[in-house]
Amino acid sequence: GENVEQHPSTLSVQEGDSAVIKCTYSDSASNYFPWYKQELGKRPQLIIDIRSNVGEKKDQRIAVTLNKTAKHFSLHITETQPEDSAVYFCAAKTAGNEKLTFGTGTRLTIIP
Amino acid sequence: DGGITQSPKYLFRKEGQNVTLSCEQNLNHDAMYWYRQDPGQGLRLIYYSQIVNDFQKGDIAEGYSVSREKKESFPLTVTSAQKNPTAFYLCASSFRTGNYGYTFGSGTRLTVV
Repeated sequence: GENVEQHPSTLSVQEGDSAVIKCTYSDSASNYFPWYKQELGKRPQLIIDIRSNVGEKKDQRIAVTLNKTAKHFSLHITETQPEDSAVYFCAAKTAGNEKLTFGTGTRLTIIP
Repeated sequence: DGGITQSPKYLFRKEGQNVTLSCEQNLNHDAMYWYRQDPGQGLRLIYYSQIVNDFQKGDIAEGYSVSREKKESFPLTVTSAQKNPTAFYLCASSFRTGNYGYTFGSGTRLTVV
């Protein structure tokens, strides 16, 4: 089955700087890669996703890049703000399998 | 709650009791999922269901049971066989086909007393 590894597990960034979280996946048939943000005690919420026919997608300060050859994808947050502090999860879905496989999460802390 | 409702928000269980967590969605999603999250940990899949009257075990199904009698509902029972049930339980739903993410409920925090 699919295996998703996520790094780093914790990340501290000065407010205004950029943050990058990386994930690798094992199944070359995976074709959908969402990212979720979970604030303390709250539910995970989808913040951005990318499909395998696209190399990069941006939404204001958030971007995701996908390298199918290397089987890795990354979340980029620019001009970080205190409200970006949360746990971020990456995930991958394999074609023909409805389940998402989640990474282990990255706790992002923005230092004011 | 964005179309998927979990209840109760907080639940206390005595030793040896079974408790049932409710999950209802009005998003017309085919598939529903239950995850367990321990403090500072990731999401572990308990059970999932892709169609009514059918469900599959996830990675940590022991001590849990589910039913899927209606498309909108996927209740989770935490049985007395689950020896360490204290955790945050998240329900999610999605369309069965196509590349779409999950919509999560707001969670139930279960504590053994």
